[in-house]
Amino acid sequence: DGGITQSPKYLFRKEGQNVTLSCEQNLNHDAMYWYRQDPGQGLRLIYYSQIVNDFQKGDIAEGYSVSREKKESFPLTVTSAQKNPTAFYLCASRDLSGRWDNEQFFGPGTRLTVL
Amino acid sequence: DQQVKQNSPSLSVQEGRISILNCDYTNSMFDYFLWYKKYPAEGPTFLISISSIKDKNEDGRFTVFLNKSAKHLSLHIVPSQPGDSAVYFCAASGRGSTLGRLYFGRGTQLTVWP
Repeated sequence: DGGITQSPKYLFRKEGQNVTLSCEQNLNHDAMYWYRQDPGQGLRLIYYSQIVNDFQKGDIAEGYSVSREKKESFPLTVTSAQKNPTAFYLCASRDLSGRWDNEQFFGPGTRLTVL
Repeated sequence: DQQVKQNSPSLSVQEGRISILNCDYTNSMFDYFLWYKKYPAEGPTFLISISSIKDKNEDGRFTVFLNKSAKHLSLHIVPSQPGDSAVYFCAASGRGSTLGRLYFGRGTQLTVWP
């Protein structure tokens, strides 16, 4: 089945450690996105990429890094510089070909907890 | 600065009644609007959308209305069912520099009680 997978579902990290969240899609979508959800904050955009080897900062990129070496993969690294990393992280993808109004499809999310 | 606003963090409705969720936006470049539904610990799922060339789009129990002059849209759910209890996010996108990304509101928690 086509879709977006995120792993792991739950992740625990000690303070001061970097951690990488996985996001893979087999929808052949051009664009991929990382969001963070906190209670009462909605979905805030961290990074997004519209083509391979290119990505842009979103609204809250500080303390995060990404790479887009393959069309289907867009891993997010939460670095030790991120002051409040505990959150629910969501990955999404979107088809940019043809229709300009295609919706974003979301993965199931990863809950990151910093101990 | 929040470009998409959902000013009601929560809404409680009795089963069978209408639920109306509201959303306002500030950027006049937005021309495509979406509603997503989200259950706890899951990713949002797309519900319904509307283009700025329309003022209404209907899909079963769900209808979205767009008032461009007021920069306001609303989602109507009729009749409401307990399974509709979730957080609803309004989102917007547009051509030009914003192409490809969505701007989300903070969400409204809908609770439908029997």
